[in-house]
Amino acid sequence: DIQMTQSPSSLSASVGDRVTITCRASQSISSYLNWYQQKPGKAPKLLIYAASSLQSGVPSRFSGSGSGTDFTLTISSLQPEDFATYYCQQSYHPQLTFGGGTKVEIK
Amino acid sequence: QVTLRESGPALVKPTQTLTLTCTFSGFSLSTSGMCVSWIRQPPGKALEWLARIDWDDDKYYSTSLKTRLTISKDTSKNQVVLTMTNMDPVDTATYYCARSNRGDGLDYWGQGTLVTVSS
Repeated sequence: DIQMTQSPSSLSASVGDRVTITCRASQSISSYLNWYQQKPGKAPKLLIYAASSLQSGVPSRFSGSGSGTDFTLTISSLQPEDFATYYCQQSYHPQLTFGGGTKVEIK
Repeated sequence: QVTLRESGPALVKPTQTLTLTCTFSGFSLSTSGMCVSWIRQPPGKALEWLARIDWDDDKYYSTSLKTRLTISKDTSKNQVVLTMTNMDPVDTATYYCARSNRGDGLDYWGQGTLVTVSS
């Protein structure tokens, strides 16, 4: 199975901060990398697909980059509604795998 | 519009078999490229992908759980069924179904159903 490792596992940030979350795959996955946001008690929401494509309706302050094994999710200016847990997921192999998540908390 | 909804028992006993149904609308699983996955999330823990069934009836399972899982579809009813055998308290989780198009992301999710395993 392809292992997905996210870092950090949690972070504290203030409104307006630039936030970066990284995700590393155990083997090359080309650009088959997706990012999700999950708030407590809710289903995950797709933010970014194919490493850098913004899902319809997602604010432009979210962006993704990377290819191969190393990927990044960036929130350019953190908003109050962005405090949540973020997951990466590979879709290169049909046995999908998720990263362990990054919890973004209020500083 | 695309919707998915999970249904099944809220409580199962250890060693029992869990059967979950995902009923969807707004798309067809007979359309080329369409896939439905099951994902679970134990309380306070990360997401774990379980299984996927594709429009062409290809099936994929989590390596660690494949001996316990079976996924199937009924295209005429717009349903995907997941069975998990030999349930254990560590299988207590919210179970989600979600749609994707081949290698794209999981773009629509159900609201999830909490399954508790306890005697």
